[in-house]
Amino acid sequence: KNEVEQSPQNLTAQEGEFITINCSYSVGISALHWLQQHPGGGIVSLFMLSSGKKKHGRLIATINIQEKHSSLHITASHPRDSAVYICTIIQGAQKLVFGQGTRLTINP
Amino acid sequence: EPEVTQTPSHQVTQMGQEVILRCVPISNHLYFYWYRQILGQKVEFLVSFYNNEISEKSEIFDDQFSVERPDGSNFTLKIRSTKLEDSAMYFCASRKEGIGEKLFFGSGTQLSVL
Repeated sequence: KNEVEQSPQNLTAQEGEFITINCSYSVGISALHWLQQHPGGGIVSLFMLSSGKKKHGRLIATINIQEKHSSLHITASHPRDSAVYICTIIQGAQKLVFGQGTRLTINP
Repeated sequence: EPEVTQTPSHQVTQMGQEVILRCVPISNHLYFYWYRQILGQKVEFLVSFYNNEISEKSEIFDDQFSVERPDGSNFTLKIRSTKLEDSAMYFCASRKEGIGEKLFFGSGTQLSVL
């Protein structure tokens, strides 16, 4: 069983829709990252969470430590949001465990 | 914004050859990481490095792999005798001191072992 599970694996939506990607994990963590990987392969860190909620532009990330669950939301989605979104947990200070990613496609 | 740079962007090698992948982390960062992503699969952790030594490594990071910080700025990943299954995109990342600090990723080196 993967320590990090994301859902859905694939998501297709129309421009303007509200998007939610979920991440559940099964081990104790010190923090959780949401990453974005574009079709060219480059990876960008969107958020680092250890509790609560963070917002950056149209992106919102939440985490519930007790339930071992995090969500990434995109409001007013746009085709340029099309990418693979990866949930990554941090065990201890140094080891990262990656989810399998959610492939998001936003159609105009 | 400061960047992590990786070279080369593409490397093609014959099976059994040694390769060295290079990374220049952001200058005030103290934690360094190597990851890889085999085509169509998820990203996998290889190794983390702090204070000039390995702090964590995965089961993938066997004796064929090594990391070095040879000159205080570069951070290298060496694969001694490449196998076909080492073909992947290799990413370097770095971050500042502190668990809450954001990770910064390089753009990756695509390694193809023939």
